[in-house]
Amino acid sequence: EPEVTQTPSHQVTQMGQEVILRCVPISNHLYFYWYRQILGQKVEFLVSFYNNEISEKSEIFDDQFSVERPDGSNFTLKIRSTKLEDSAMYFCASSPTRDTQYFGPGTRLTVL
Amino acid sequence: KNQVEQSPQSLIILEGKNCTLQCNYTVSPFSNLRWYKQDTGRGPVSLTIMTFSENTKSNGRYTATLDADTKQSSLHITASQLSDSASYICVVSPIPGGGADGLTFGKGTHLIIQP
Repeated sequence: EPEVTQTPSHQVTQMGQEVILRCVPISNHLYFYWYRQILGQKVEFLVSFYNNEISEKSEIFDDQFSVERPDGSNFTLKIRSTKLEDSAMYFCASSPTRDTQYFGPGTRLTVL
Repeated sequence: KNQVEQSPQSLIILEGKNCTLQCNYTVSPFSNLRWYKQDTGRGPVSLTIMTFSENTKSNGRYTATLDADTKQSSLHITASQLSDSASYICVVSPIPGGGADGLTFGKGTHLIIQP
């Protein structure tokens, strides 16, 4: 069964550094999303992406964040200058019809 | 402000027993409600999705109910198994069409099944 994959599984970085989190959505899906989950807290929506552009973003998704679909398979989330409070699990999800999102296993980002 | 509240926060039951998890929401207007299972360190996996017109939906040993009038939902797990140990997250969509934009997540109920 096709799955959403994410790399790396764990990323450790210094505060102020740039990080790129990578996702490979399920191949025939059209809608792509990033979520994050701070340890012990609920999952929060960051951004949705359709037809090669952002369709919606939350308040969390400020100028430090960007998303890209550089080719036909990858979907990336870039954080330009990481802060301590960016430490979280970041989940990518994809969907064929916007109704049910299929989540990846997540990338644990630790900012030191 | 749209909110989703889940109870209990955590629950421990013996293998083979049944349990019911609760979700109350204030999201309005309401489009659909989803229950997800999240294993530790993994992404959420969809269990059920219900529109406002549906009262109940089953997926194997999982049965979700919805009362759109009282804005309450429950997830009933029958004959629990050790593999049911996970967090169960209630997610409500306010947007017609059920898109992910604007989804409101609950904090989840952490369920532990003991042998």
